[in-house]
Amino acid sequence: DSGVTQTPKHLITATGQRVTLRCSPRSGDLSVYWYQQSLDQGLQFLIQYYNGEERAKGNILERFSAQQFPDLHSELNLSSLELGDSALYFCASSARTSGRLWETQYFGPGTRLLVL
Amino acid sequence: QQPVQSPQAVILREGEDAVINCSSSKALYSVHWYRQKHGEAPVFLMILLKGGEQKGHEKISASFNEKKQQSSLYLTASQLSYSGTYFCGTASLRDDKIIFGKGTRLHILP
Repeated sequence: DSGVTQTPKHLITATGQRVTLRCSPRSGDLSVYWYQQSLDQGLQFLIQYYNGEERAKGNILERFSAQQFPDLHSELNLSSLELGDSALYFCASSARTSGRLWETQYFGPGTRLLVL
Repeated sequence: QQPVQSPQAVILREGEDAVINCSSSKALYSVHWYRQKHGEAPVFLMILLKGGEQKGHEKISASFNEKKQQSSLYLTASQLSYSGTYFCGTASLRDDKIIFGKGTRLHILP
């Protein structure tokens, strides 16, 4: 158990809908990262927040957005869902210090999203 | 740019050794290794930093060739529990984020 929690564990929805995935980082961690993992794909970095502010951005679609709240939990919002958005979405946390490139990331159990 | 991992997959018998390679076209600051079992979260194995610093598990070893932008993960005397997909993630100072490769599937047979 990494100490990172994600809800829900599974999500089934229809095309065109909107969903929100939630992540609580390890106690004391200030950074949250979101990743998308599709079948046979590696971990695609979406976005990072550090202490409430956006720190780095990856291949995140405009239909997707995220935020980190004052209590450091984060939410990833996916809207106008398409079939291709079906994937495993991971949240990771790190950074009791600066959130930079030498920090170990601890991954949550993931949310499996299925878009029908 | 996504790092390239090789081999894509490998099958070993318990007790055999394996080497997994990761190469990037960019000048790297750090290399991160994770193992993921099917349907589970990736688990941290090791981080290697430019300049030689390493952090990781005692039973895992790895190298980082800064000049060639390559890293290798060494799994010796493999155990059944080593089965899974191994991902390397690379980071350069310019990007300010870690980019993961597509993974190497390792299957250990008894």
